[in-house]
Amino acid sequence: GESVGLHLPTLSVQEGDNSIINCAYSNSASDYFIWYKQESGKGPQFIIDIRSNMDKRQGQRVTVLLNKTVKHLSLQIAATQPGDSAVYFCAENIGGGSYIPTFGRGTSLIVHP
Amino acid sequence: DAGVIQSPRHEVTEMGQEVTLRCKPISGHNSLFWYRQTMMRGLELLIYFNNNVPIDDSGMPEDRFSAKMPNASFSTLKIQPSEPRDSAVYFCASRQGEGTEAFFGQGTRLTVV
Repeated sequence: GESVGLHLPTLSVQEGDNSIINCAYSNSASDYFIWYKQESGKGPQFIIDIRSNMDKRQGQRVTVLLNKTVKHLSLQIAATQPGDSAVYFCAENIGGGSYIPTFGRGTSLIVHP
Repeated sequence: DAGVIQSPRHEVTEMGQEVTLRCKPISGHNSLFWYRQTMMRGLELLIYFNNNVPIDDSGMPEDRFSAKMPNASFSTLKIQPSEPRDSAVYFCASRQGEGTEAFFGQGTRLTVV
């Protein structure tokens, strides 16, 4: 079956650097994507979302890019801080159906002070 | 709003015992999800309710698992009998409508010994 996957399981960066977390999806029917952040011992927390009629969306220090041609999603975090250390998940939602979030395996972001 | 509330936060039980996990979704949300998270398999959808009706239970591992949503403010996930391989963190999530982000609870860490 089709699934969401991640290129890098672990990303280590220095405080102040920009971070880029990547996600590949394979279901062409997906039209709504969400990035979640999960800190140790907590549930996933919504960061930012994007719909397929957009290719870029910005939030506070975060930007999500969507490339539908190659079915790729990325999360950019500007000026990464130690508090950004967490596991990041992308979730795809298939349009025309129940929009059930389907999660990738996650990328662990480690920010070194 | 207090967010999605799950109980208990931690549960340790012996193999063969019945386990009941509880969830209170955010008021006004009409969709509810149960997910299971393990290191090996990541976040897996178990069941999805919409307006208290189970829509997709294809992720429920086997007959030992059952879920109910008797009203809009409460859901349970029951495992009977429990097995060591059921050890995982179980998350409940709710959302207001299709095509919106799901909000997660803090999870229940289940250990079956």
